[in-house]
Amino acid sequence: EVQLVESGGGLVQPGGSLRLSCAASGITFSSYWMSWVRQAPGKGLEWVANIKEDGSEKNYVDSVKGRFTISRDNAKNSLYLQMNSLRGEDTALYYCARGGFYSGLWGRGTLVTVSS
Amino acid sequence: EIVMTQSPATLSVSPGERATLSCRASQSVGSNLAWYQQKPGQAPSLLIYAASTRATGIPARFSGSGSGTEFTLTISSLQSEDFAIYYCQHYYNWPRTFGQGTKVEIK
Repeated sequence: EVQLVESGGGLVQPGGSLRLSCAASGITFSSYWMSWVRQAPGKGLEWVANIKEDGSEKNYVDSVKGRFTISRDNAKNSLYLQMNSLRGEDTALYYCARGGFYSGLWGRGTLVTVSS
Repeated sequence: EIVMTQSPATLSVSPGERATLSCRASQSVGSNLAWYQQKPGQAPSLLIYAASTRATGIPARFSGSGSGTEFTLTISSLQSEDFAIYYCQHYYNWPRTFGQGTKVEIK
């Protein structure tokens, strides 16, 4: 079955860290750009970061630059998002998405809540 | 950063009627424009890419048009399953940005 499954979300205090993971199945993971897109509760969509097929190119939205790191392990068909120095405004549902330009395959998301 | 502006914010339409959604980019994005549908509690679903190409499995009642800064998503005859929020998104450069969404609700 073609699917993306995110994990690693949870409640974290401001200034804390979390590492999100996305497990891909049913796709040739190493052939695709991959991305993280987030959605704050009741709000719209924000494209957070993307990474090239071989990991050689990464892009970040300004609001997370220097705090978040996207990475991938093609041998494990997995995508990651290391999130440090978390802030309240990072509270959102984080989606893993196939593609770096637009996406026709999304996971169900993992919820990150930043609160004391 | 390219700002994407969608209108209207909410569109009230009766089943079977046509719905026309607009998306404007703050600068030209060529045809690098996608449309998504999102239903409550679900991830977004790709409808259209390259401004006018329907994604796999998308019914013909969904059509996209436009280029440059002005884009339109048309749903020719609304079905009950089409009531949702619709987002446009450019991929001309980084950062990719979305419009704020248009909610299509039952009139």
